[in-house]
Amino acid sequence: DAKTTQPPSMDCAEGRAANLPCNHSTISGNEYVYWYRQIHSQGPQYIIHGLKNNETNEMASLIITEDRKSSTLILPHATLRDTAVYYCIVREGGNYQLIWGAGTKLIIKP
Amino acid sequence: DTEVTQTPKHLVMGMTNKKSLKCEQHMGHRAMYWYKQKAKKPPELMFVYSYEKLSINESVPSRFSPECPNSSLLNLHLHALQPEDSALYLCASSQDVGRLGTGELFFGEGSRLTVL
Repeated sequence: DAKTTQPPSMDCAEGRAANLPCNHSTISGNEYVYWYRQIHSQGPQYIIHGLKNNETNEMASLIITEDRKSSTLILPHATLRDTAVYYCIVREGGNYQLIWGAGTKLIIKP
Repeated sequence: DTEVTQTPKHLVMGMTNKKSLKCEQHMGHRAMYWYKQKAKKPPELMFVYSYEKLSINESVPSRFSPECPNSSLLNLHLHALQPEDSALYLCASSQDVGRLGTGELFFGEGSRLTVL
């Protein structure tokens, strides 16, 4: 069963920051939060992951609340190419198992 | 080279056919995966190979038969499939299944299978 809850869809204007929320209220202490995205007709692509601390890389930032029950993926300057389904995923440390949520379809509008 | 290559991209087969899907990676990854994805759904894990040995079979019907000839190759043999098996089949690899590496999975673009 999915351990994450995401809104089914969101819109964002091109050039603005896209903030994608995820609830994972039953997350355990050794479980990581991963984000992947899937552009239409392509395989999923890794974006970022974190355990407790906020993380940033060249693609995005991940903000995890102190109680770890929710997180937000931030795409700082969204472009049309960021239109995709974004999956928030919980992964147990030391385990292959990715528990996928239903995903948020993000549409970037010009 | 950070690619996972899947062939064919599209496959149409009858219920009595035997066909295979192929996956290749040259990143030195020791874990490889098959996922099945139906339209508008997240990927579902089917099989996991770790160091060329099958480590996980998620109760997949025997009409799907995985094979890992070496650490770079992963096949999925298909026989006597049903129309409901039509889906996108995704291959992925990772450095390891466990604690090593970031846990990042690298996915191929998938093979879209249609069973008539």
